[in-house]
Amino acid sequence: GESVGLHLPTLSVQEGDNSIINCAYSNSASDYFIWYKQESGKGPQFIIDIRSNMDKRQGQRVTVLLNKTVKHLSLQIAATQPGDSAVYFCAEANTGTASKLTFGTGTRLQVTL
Amino acid sequence: DVKVTQSSRYLVKRTGEKVFLECVQDMDHENMFWYRQDPGLGLRLIYFSYDVKMKEKGDIPEGYSVSREKKERFSLILESASTNQTSMYLCASNSHTGNQETQYFGPGTRLLVL
Repeated sequence: GESVGLHLPTLSVQEGDNSIINCAYSNSASDYFIWYKQESGKGPQFIIDIRSNMDKRQGQRVTVLLNKTVKHLSLQIAATQPGDSAVYFCAEANTGTASKLTFGTGTRLQVTL
Repeated sequence: DVKVTQSSRYLVKRTGEKVFLECVQDMDHENMFWYRQDPGLGLRLIYFSYDVKMKEKGDIPEGYSVSREKKERFSLILESASTNQTSMYLCASNSHTGNQETQYFGPGTRLLVL
């Protein structure tokens, strides 16, 4: 089975509720942030991104909030569905450094019926 | 849609074997990356390349080498596989032109070294 995420924090949410996944980043020079979703046995899939000149960005059922003062990023998923069950990673980059990303270790989201 | 493909989903090799992991992207991206992913450690960058024939070491290059002979293809080479290289290997690509920092990932290759 999938071995990624054995030591990950886990968020358990009931189907239909909203989910909030948090991420603290480390580099105050980072100016670009991404959220990825990784389902079991698959590669990370891009969900949404945000640049440091914004503090909120919305997609379909997802919203990313950026608080640069405390170096905090969050992903909000509205009306969570069973298909949202996955590991979620945040990543940060300083766009002046060859597009290299630094990844968080991830949070496992479990959606209960 | 961006497509990043990896040559194998699962590989089993023996200690000391030479292992080639291949990655191909179809978006004409300049940058390509190889990561490994291990429980509790997240994604760690092994090598990356920002152009054909160019390569840069990432955070954990020891025991690996890479080859970028064509823009669309980036190969990761384990010269002499060891058991501590058992891992999930992920390839990614992006462009450094415009606002295109998002990295797109392949499905991963799960390597077991016996």
